[in-house]
Amino acid sequence: QSALTQPASVSGSPGQSITISCTGTSSDVGRYNYVSWYLQYPGKAPKLMIYEVTNRPSGVSNRFSGSKSGDTASLTISGLQAEDEADYYCSSYTSSSTLVFGGGTKLTVL
Amino acid sequence: EVQLLESGGDLLQPGGSLRLSCAASGFTFGGYAMSWVRQAPGKGLEWLSAISGSGESTYYADSVKGRFTVSRDNSKNTLYLQMNSLRASDTAIYYCARDGKTVDYFDYWGQGTLVTVSS
Repeated sequence: QSALTQPASVSGSPGQSITISCTGTSSDVGRYNYVSWYLQYPGKAPKLMIYEVTNRPSGVSNRFSGSKSGDTASLTISGLQAEDEADYYCSSYTSSSTLVFGGGTKLTVL
Repeated sequence: EVQLLESGGDLLQPGGSLRLSCAASGFTFGGYAMSWVRQAPGKGLEWLSAISGSGESTYYADSVKGRFTVSRDNSKNTLYLQMNSLRASDTAIYYCARDGKTVDYFDYWGQGTLVTVSS
């Protein structure tokens, strides 16, 4: 199972909006609405930000939103803040009853 | 408060074996599937394995199938990962995580335990 494809890095200024893409195949992202997004600060455990494409866990800011079109899922962060600077990973359930992560995207807040 | 605490990480030689543990608290352990995820130094996340709440169903990534075995003891609220035939490429931080839904998403994570495989 190949990793989902994410851009290595994205950047934005405070207050702006950015979008991170996550491209899979018809066997994972394109087939199931089981895409999740995680934020990870250096040296820390990942934190769930979005699950099942669009759902936000309790306590996660509504500045974070998810969507999907075909084989590509997206995470949008609006009103960018310095604390959003981190690594972001997407994941998807697959037709092999496994889970695959994306390679990760480093978000830099300029 | 949900807490997951991994232990068992160590430095060992290629070909060796190791068992990791993950002690859970703050929720009904047997009511949730659990997973193991690892992260090699400077690399991304890699899902390894999951086990259903009852322990009856297990799931593995191709990269570890046949070498790693996931298990759980619901009476002890503990998740395990038995790792055999370890390779240098297995060097990573190993996280246990609670499945919000089986092999779907992970709503709580432990702090991780470091496994280093080196001669």
